[in-house]
Amino acid sequence: DTGVSQDPRHKITKRGQNVTFRCDPISEHNRLYWYRQTLGQGPEFLTYFQNEAQLEKSRLLSDRFSAERPKGSFSTLEIQRTEQGDSAMYLCASSPPFRLAGGGDTQYFGPGTRLTVL
Amino acid sequence: GNSVTQMEGPVTLSEEAFLTINCTYTATGYPSLFWYVQYPGEGLQLLLKATKADDKGSNKGFEATYRKETTSFHLEKGSVQVSDSAVYFCALIRQAGTALIFGKGTTLSVSS
Repeated sequence: DTGVSQDPRHKITKRGQNVTFRCDPISEHNRLYWYRQTLGQGPEFLTYFQNEAQLEKSRLLSDRFSAERPKGSFSTLEIQRTEQGDSAMYLCASSPPFRLAGGGDTQYFGPGTRLTVL
Repeated sequence: GNSVTQMEGPVTLSEEAFLTINCTYTATGYPSLFWYVQYPGEGLQLLLKATKADDKGSNKGFEATYRKETTSFHLEKGSVQVSDSAVYFCALIRQAGTALIFGKGTTLSVSS
Protein backbone atom coordinates (compact mmCIF):
# COMPACT_ATOMS: atom_id res chain seq x y z
CA ASP A 1 0.00 0.00 0.00
CA THR A 2 1.30 3.41 -0.91
CA GLY A 3 -1.07 5.20 1.42
CA VAL A 4 -3.50 8.00 0.71
CA SER A 5 -2.00 10.65 -1.56
CA GLN A 6 -3.11 14.22 -2.06
CA ASP A 7 -2.18 16.77 -4.67
CA PRO A 8 -1.07 19.50 -4.47
CA ARG A 9 0.53 19.61 -1.05
CA HIS A 10 0.42 23.39 -0.98
CA LYS A 11 -1.73 25.89 -2.84
CA ILE A 12 -1.58 29.66 -2.65
CA THR A 13 -4.34 31.53 -4.41
CA LYS A 14 -5.92 34.94 -4.51
CA ARG A 15 -9.34 35.61 -3.10
CA GLY A 16 -12.04 34.92 -5.66
CA GLN A 17 -10.14 32.27 -7.57
CA ASN A 18 -11.25 28.65 -7.90
CA VAL A 19 -9.09 25.79 -6.65
CA THR A 20 -9.30 22.03 -7.01
CA PHE A 21 -7.63 19.38 -4.88
CA ARG A 22 -7.21 15.71 -5.65
CA CYS A 23 -7.17 12.70 -3.34
CA ASP A 24 -6.15 9.17 -4.26
CA PRO A 25 -7.25 6.67 -1.60
CA ILE A 26 -5.55 3.45 -0.68
CA SER A 27 -6.21 0.78 -3.28
CA GLU A 28 -9.45 -1.16 -2.62
CA HIS A 29 -10.69 1.38 -0.10
CA ASN A 30 -14.25 2.11 -1.15
CA ARG A 31 -14.96 4.82 1.41
CA LEU A 32 -13.44 8.28 1.18
CA TYR A 33 -13.72 11.29 3.47
CA TRP A 34 -12.77 14.96 3.30
CA TYR A 35 -11.95 17.01 6.39
CA ARG A 36 -10.79 20.56 7.00
CA GLN A 37 -8.29 21.50 9.70
CA THR A 38 -7.60 25.05 10.79
CA LEU A 39 -4.68 26.12 12.93
CA GLY A 40 -4.91 24.87 16.50
CA GLN A 41 -8.03 22.82 15.86
CA GLY A 42 -8.85 19.21 15.19
CA PRO A 43 -10.05 18.16 11.75
CA GLU A 44 -13.71 18.83 10.95
CA PHE A 45 -15.72 16.59 8.67
CA LEU A 46 -16.77 17.92 5.27
CA THR A 47 -18.12 15.03 3.22
CA TYR A 48 -18.12 11.26 2.72
CA PHE A 49 -18.29 8.96 -0.31
CA GLN A 50 -18.99 5.28 -0.50
CA ASN A 51 -17.81 4.21 -3.94
CA GLU A 52 -19.03 7.01 -6.21
CA ALA A 53 -22.01 8.00 -4.08
CA GLN A 54 -21.73 11.07 -1.86
CA LEU A 55 -23.61 9.90 1.21
CA GLU A 56 -23.10 12.70 3.68
CA LYS A 57 -22.26 16.39 3.64
CA SER A 58 -21.51 18.62 6.58
CA ARG A 59 -23.09 22.00 7.12
CA LEU A 60 -19.53 23.31 6.71
CA LEU A 61 -19.71 22.44 3.02
CA SER A 62 -21.15 25.64 1.64
CA ASP A 63 -22.47 26.05 -1.90
CA ARG A 64 -19.00 27.14 -3.01
CA PHE A 65 -17.63 23.69 -2.21
CA SER A 66 -18.20 20.66 -4.38
CA ALA A 67 -16.74 17.19 -4.19
CA GLU A 68 -16.82 14.36 -6.66
CA ARG A 69 -15.70 10.79 -6.93
CA PRO A 70 -16.76 9.92 -10.45
CA LYS A 71 -15.50 6.36 -10.76
CA GLY A 72 -15.31 5.43 -7.14
CA SER A 73 -11.55 5.80 -7.09
CA PHE A 74 -9.93 9.25 -6.75
CA SER A 75 -11.85 12.25 -5.52
CA THR A 76 -11.68 15.98 -6.16
CA LEU A 77 -12.68 18.84 -3.92
CA GLU A 78 -13.32 22.17 -5.61
CA ILE A 79 -13.70 25.51 -3.91
CA GLN A 80 -15.17 28.28 -6.02
CA ARG A 81 -14.67 32.00 -5.35
CA THR A 82 -12.24 31.35 -2.53
CA GLU A 83 -12.35 33.50 0.59
CA GLN A 84 -9.66 34.14 3.17
CA GLY A 85 -11.66 32.05 5.62
CA ASP A 86 -11.10 29.02 3.39
CA SER A 87 -7.41 29.01 4.33
CA ALA A 88 -6.85 25.66 6.04
CA MET A 89 -5.41 22.19 5.66
CA TYR A 90 -7.71 19.94 3.63
CA LEU A 91 -7.34 16.30 4.61
CA CYS A 92 -8.52 13.22 2.80
CA ALA A 93 -8.99 9.84 4.42
CA SER A 94 -10.08 6.42 3.22
CA SER A 95 -11.42 3.24 4.79
CA PRO A 96 -11.53 -0.35 3.56
CA PRO A 97 -14.79 -2.16 2.86
CA PHE A 98 -16.55 -3.66 5.85
CA ARG A 99 -16.06 -7.13 4.44
CA LEU A 100 -12.25 -6.95 4.65
CA ALA A 101 -10.39 -7.94 7.75
CA GLY A 102 -9.68 -4.77 9.70
CA GLY A 103 -12.32 -3.02 7.72
CA GLY A 104 -14.85 -0.87 9.37
CA ASP A 105 -14.27 2.26 11.34
CA THR A 106 -10.57 3.03 10.91
CA GLN A 107 -9.78 5.94 8.60
CA TYR A 108 -6.33 6.40 7.04
CA PHE A 109 -5.29 9.94 6.29
CA GLY A 110 -3.27 11.52 3.55
CA PRO A 111 -0.67 14.28 4.07
CA GLY A 112 -3.16 17.04 3.34
CA THR A 113 -3.30 20.05 1.04
CA ARG A 114 -2.52 23.35 2.71
CA LEU A 115 -4.52 26.17 1.13
CA THR A 116 -3.60 29.81 1.64
CA VAL A 117 -5.98 32.43 0.29
CA LEU A 118 -4.45 35.88 -0.03
CA GLY B 1 -24.35 15.75 20.46
CA ASN B 2 -21.13 13.83 20.14
CA SER B 3 -17.94 15.54 21.22
CA VAL B 4 -14.39 14.99 22.43
CA THR B 5 -12.56 17.06 25.01
CA GLN B 6 -8.79 16.91 25.40
CA MET B 7 -6.54 18.50 27.94
CA GLU B 8 -5.11 21.83 26.90
CA GLY B 9 -1.52 21.92 25.76
CA PRO B 10 1.25 22.35 25.29
CA VAL B 11 2.65 19.54 27.38
CA THR B 12 6.37 19.91 27.91
CA LEU B 13 8.36 16.96 29.24
CA SER B 14 11.91 15.80 29.58
CA GLU B 15 13.02 12.64 27.84
CA GLU B 16 12.06 9.45 29.72
CA ALA B 17 9.27 11.19 31.65
CA PHE B 18 5.81 9.65 32.03
CA LEU B 19 3.12 10.99 29.75
CA THR B 20 -0.62 11.28 30.28
CA ILE B 21 -2.91 13.16 27.91
CA ASN B 22 -6.49 13.22 29.13
CA CYS B 23 -9.42 12.66 26.81
CA THR B 24 -13.10 12.46 27.65
CA TYR B 25 -16.00 12.04 25.29
CA THR B 26 -19.74 12.48 24.96
CA ALA B 27 -21.53 10.15 22.62
CA THR B 28 -24.71 8.20 22.13
CA GLY B 29 -24.40 4.47 21.87
CA TYR B 30 -21.05 2.75 21.82
CA PRO B 31 -18.50 4.65 19.80
CA SER B 32 -15.05 3.47 18.79
CA LEU B 33 -12.23 5.60 20.16
CA PHE B 34 -8.95 6.58 18.55
CA TRP B 35 -5.72 8.42 19.11
CA TYR B 36 -4.11 9.97 16.06
CA VAL B 37 -0.71 11.67 15.96
CA GLN B 38 0.39 14.48 13.67
CA TYR B 39 4.09 15.13 13.27
CA PRO B 40 5.19 18.55 12.00
CA GLY B 41 4.34 19.01 8.36
CA GLU B 42 2.64 15.65 8.06
CA GLY B 43 -0.86 14.23 7.98
CA LEU B 44 -2.60 12.30 10.72
CA GLN B 45 -1.36 8.84 11.59
CA LEU B 46 -3.41 6.34 13.51
CA LEU B 47 -1.67 5.63 16.81
CA LEU B 48 -4.11 3.26 18.48
CA LYS B 49 -7.78 2.44 18.79
CA ALA B 50 -10.31 0.67 20.98
CA THR B 51 -13.73 -0.46 19.89
CA LYS B 52 -15.50 -1.46 23.09
CA ALA B 53 -15.51 -0.86 26.81
CA ASP B 54 -12.41 -2.04 28.71
CA ASP B 55 -10.47 -2.59 25.49
CA LYS B 56 -6.88 -1.38 25.65
CA GLY B 57 -5.28 -0.03 22.52
CA SER B 58 -1.49 0.01 22.35
CA ASN B 59 1.22 0.91 19.88
CA LYS B 60 4.84 2.14 20.04
CA GLY B 61 4.76 2.15 23.84
CA PHE B 62 1.57 4.23 24.00
CA GLU B 63 -1.55 2.84 25.65
CA ALA B 64 -5.14 3.92 26.20
CA THR B 65 -8.04 2.09 27.84
CA TYR B 66 -11.68 2.60 26.85
CA ARG B 67 -13.46 3.49 30.11
CA LYS B 68 -17.18 3.67 29.58
CA GLU B 69 -17.98 4.41 33.21
CA THR B 70 -15.88 7.59 33.11
CA THR B 71 -16.30 8.18 29.34
CA SER B 72 -12.54 8.51 29.04
CA PHE B 73 -9.71 7.33 26.80
CA HIS B 74 -6.54 8.76 28.32
CA LEU B 75 -3.27 8.32 26.44
CA GLU B 76 -0.23 7.16 28.42
CA LYS B 77 3.39 6.34 27.78
CA GLY B 78 5.87 5.27 30.39
CA SER B 79 8.97 6.91 28.93
CA VAL B 80 8.71 9.54 26.21
CA GLN B 81 11.37 10.26 23.62
CA VAL B 82 12.24 13.42 21.73
CA SER B 83 10.83 11.76 18.62
CA ASP B 84 7.39 11.65 20.30
CA SER B 85 7.10 15.42 19.96
CA ALA B 86 3.94 15.95 17.93
CA VAL B 87 0.27 16.91 18.19
CA TYR B 88 -1.99 14.18 19.54
CA PHE B 89 -5.68 14.01 18.69
CA CYS B 90 -8.33 12.00 20.47
CA ALA B 91 -11.30 11.07 18.29
CA LEU B 92 -14.46 9.02 18.25
CA ILE B 93 -16.68 7.50 15.63
CA ARG B 94 -20.27 6.48 16.32
CA GLN B 95 -20.25 3.78 13.69
CA ALA B 96 -18.26 2.83 10.64
CA GLY B 97 -19.02 4.95 7.62
CA THR B 98 -19.62 8.12 9.58
CA ALA B 99 -17.44 11.08 10.43
CA LEU B 100 -14.64 11.01 12.94
CA ILE B 101 -15.15 13.63 15.65
CA PHE B 102 -11.89 15.05 16.92
CA GLY B 103 -10.73 16.89 19.97
CA LYS B 104 -8.71 20.06 19.50
CA GLY B 105 -5.39 18.30 19.86
CA THR B 106 -2.64 18.41 22.47
CA THR B 107 0.86 19.46 21.55
CA LEU B 108 3.61 17.42 23.18
CA SER B 109 7.15 18.75 23.29
CA VAL B 110 9.89 16.48 24.63
CA SER B 111 13.37 17.82 25.29
CA SER B 112 16.57 15.88 25.81
